[in-house]
Amino acid sequence: GENVEQHPSTLSVQEGDSAVIKCTYSDSASNYFPWYKQELGKRPQLIIDIRSNVGEKKDQRIAVTLNKTAKHFSLHITETQPEDSAVYFCAASMVQAGTALIFGKGTTLSVSS
Amino acid sequence: DVKVTQSSRYLVKRTGEKVFLECVQDMDHENMFWYRQDPGLGLRLIYFSYDVKMKEKGDIPEGYSVSREKKERFSLILESASTNQTSMYLCASSRDRSYTFGSGTRLTVV
Repeated sequence: GENVEQHPSTLSVQEGDSAVIKCTYSDSASNYFPWYKQELGKRPQLIIDIRSNVGEKKDQRIAVTLNKTAKHFSLHITETQPEDSAVYFCAASMVQAGTALIFGKGTTLSVSS
Repeated sequence: DVKVTQSSRYLVKRTGEKVFLECVQDMDHENMFWYRQDPGLGLRLIYFSYDVKMKEKGDIPEGYSVSREKKERFSLILESASTNQTSMYLCASSRDRSYTFGSGTRLTVV
C-alpha cells in the first residue's frame, strides 16, 4: 500500500520568511496529492491540492509542486504570517472509487512575529 | 457547507467495554472514512466505506470494526476497548477527493 513520508516534523520561521514542507510517496499509481492545515483544536481543512497531470499549482501565498519521477511533492508558503501557524499534512491517493487518502505524519509550523 | 457530525466530543470508557463512535454527514457523500490521530503519527486510516454496506480495511484495522447501514451514517466500533486505543478519532466524508472532517472524538480508555 501507499506510504507517505513528510519532513520536517517541526519548522520555525520568522514572519515574512518562506516555509517549505516536503513529502515523498511510494505508490507510483497515486495521482492526487492534497495538503491539509489543522489549527490547534480544529479539524483538518484542505488548503490546496494537485493532480499528477500538473507540475505546479499556486493559490495566493501557497503553492504546491510535484515531481512524479522522483515521487515527491512540496508545499511552499511565502510571506508567512502568524496565522499560518498550524500543523500541515500532506496526503496521497489514486483518484478512483474504493481508495482513501494516506497522510504523512504532519509538520508543525510556527511563525513568530 | 457540508456538515460531518461526530456524536461525542469527549468519551471516557473502561477497558473491555464495547464502544460505538458515530459519524453522520448531510451531503449525500458516497465515501466515508475513520482515522485516528496521535501526536507524531499523523492521521492513520482505520476503515473506510465507498457505499452503503461496503467497507474496506485501512492501515490499522485491528481491534476495530465498522458499520454503514445508511448512506449518511458510518459507525466505528471498538469491540473490546484497550488503553492503546486512547486517541483522537476523526471521521471524514467525500464525494470526490476533497475530504470534509468532523470535529473529532477524543476517546480515553481507562
